[in-house]
Amino acid sequence: SQQGEEDPQALSIQEGENATMNCSYKTSINNLQWYRQNSGRGLVHLILIRSNEREKHSGRLRVTLDTSKKSSSLLITASRAADTASYFCAPQGTDKLIFGTGTRLQVFP
Amino acid sequence: DSGVTQTPKHLITATGQRVTLRCSPRSGDLSVYWYQQSLDQGLQFLIQYYNGEERAKGNILERFSAQQFPDLHSELNLSSLELGDSALYFCASSVNPAYEQYFGPGTRLTVT
Repeated sequence: SQQGEEDPQALSIQEGENATMNCSYKTSINNLQWYRQNSGRGLVHLILIRSNEREKHSGRLRVTLDTSKKSSSLLITASRAADTASYFCAPQGTDKLIFGTGTRLQVFP
Repeated sequence: DSGVTQTPKHLITATGQRVTLRCSPRSGDLSVYWYQQSLDQGLQFLIQYYNGEERAKGNILERFSAQQFPDLHSELNLSSLELGDSALYFCASSVNPAYEQYFGPGTRLTVT
């Protein structure tokens, strides 16, 4: 299916450490998107990486995409307590995004 | 603030009732999406509209219906409500289906 599957399901780290989350998918895609959700709130778009791109940066975020392995990773460097949230990847084939169950990241001060 | 507005914020109603959730997309966005998020099902895609036309359907029950109006706002109608329909309902919009989506704050529906 087009749904992304995030790994790990949950991750706990200390402030200042890096956090890496992985996403795998099964079908060909046009792009892959990462979103963040704070508890009970709407999702916030972080990064969109297109299928012909291998790496993209936005501030402390770095996303990689390997279409041959059908996988992506999201790296948050120098994490902060405010990064505590759930992170979702969403591979996009045609129109709709199918979200996975997400990675719950907890950053302890 | 994403620019997407949803009303109401909270809704408490009884089983068997019908409710309407409303969404106004960001200015200029033609695509509107509806999602349901519950604790046990995660974030489920329901339906997508583009410039007034239905574009894609997901796990939307027959008791649920939606439409996008000429001014691009959208409504999600939920009828014959059941306890299991209690969830957060999100609306999102994008300029077109190939671009990132901007989510509203959600409507929390509680069915008692």
